[in-house]
Amino acid sequence: NAGVTQTPKFQVLKTGQSMTLQCAQDMNHEYMSWYRQDPGMGLRLIHYSVGAGITDQGEVPNGYNVSRSTTEDFPLRLLSAAPSQTSVYFCASSDIRGTEQYFGPGTRLTVT
Amino acid sequence: GESVGLHLPTLSVQEGDNSIINCAYSNSASDYFIWYKQESGKGPQFIIDIRSNMDKRQGQRVTVLLNKTVKHLSLQIAATQPGDSAVYFCADDLTGNQFYFGTGTSLTVIP
Repeated sequence: NAGVTQTPKFQVLKTGQSMTLQCAQDMNHEYMSWYRQDPGMGLRLIHYSVGAGITDQGEVPNGYNVSRSTTEDFPLRLLSAAPSQTSVYFCASSDIRGTEQYFGPGTRLTVT
Repeated sequence: GESVGLHLPTLSVQEGDNSIINCAYSNSASDYFIWYKQESGKGPQFIIDIRSNMDKRQGQRVTVLLNKTVKHLSLQIAATQPGDSAVYFCADDLTGNQFYFGTGTSLTVIP
């Protein structure tokens, strides 16, 4: 049981490039979320999903897209990277609404 | 929107002492709260949670207290150990799937 996995661990992008951060969980959790963590700040919710085929925006969704075609996977797409998107990105999952979230190890993204 | 704040960004305690980390939230409708521990370079790890129908919950060496009147919660760590050194976040859940996180308190345990 690997829990929540994220790839890559580190990524450097140039402004304007696009990429996809991968997130997968093997716990059969319905709920999955993406957060970003900036220095001196708490985690902020980007997008979340309550099940396959259903996604919704969080607190800071601009510049990011998500999709949920399977229960296991919840990729986060950066459409046109900007320096303001330099951050550490965490994916999380939980089995039912309003319960403990399990976090992945994070992806550290730098946009130059 | 919801805001969650921690009272102190840093806290240093002697090994063996008790630690208390405080957190305030803004929305009285919040009904579920979690404390997370984050070690350097890792994702947040669940410590303990509490629902709004309770005012105290205990785990192994940790206790969470919730005061809904003043919208405040605290995390108490008994007999703090070097392995407890980390950043601690409180988070509250307004809508059932949108957690709002505080900015974190960095706990340093002095041997």
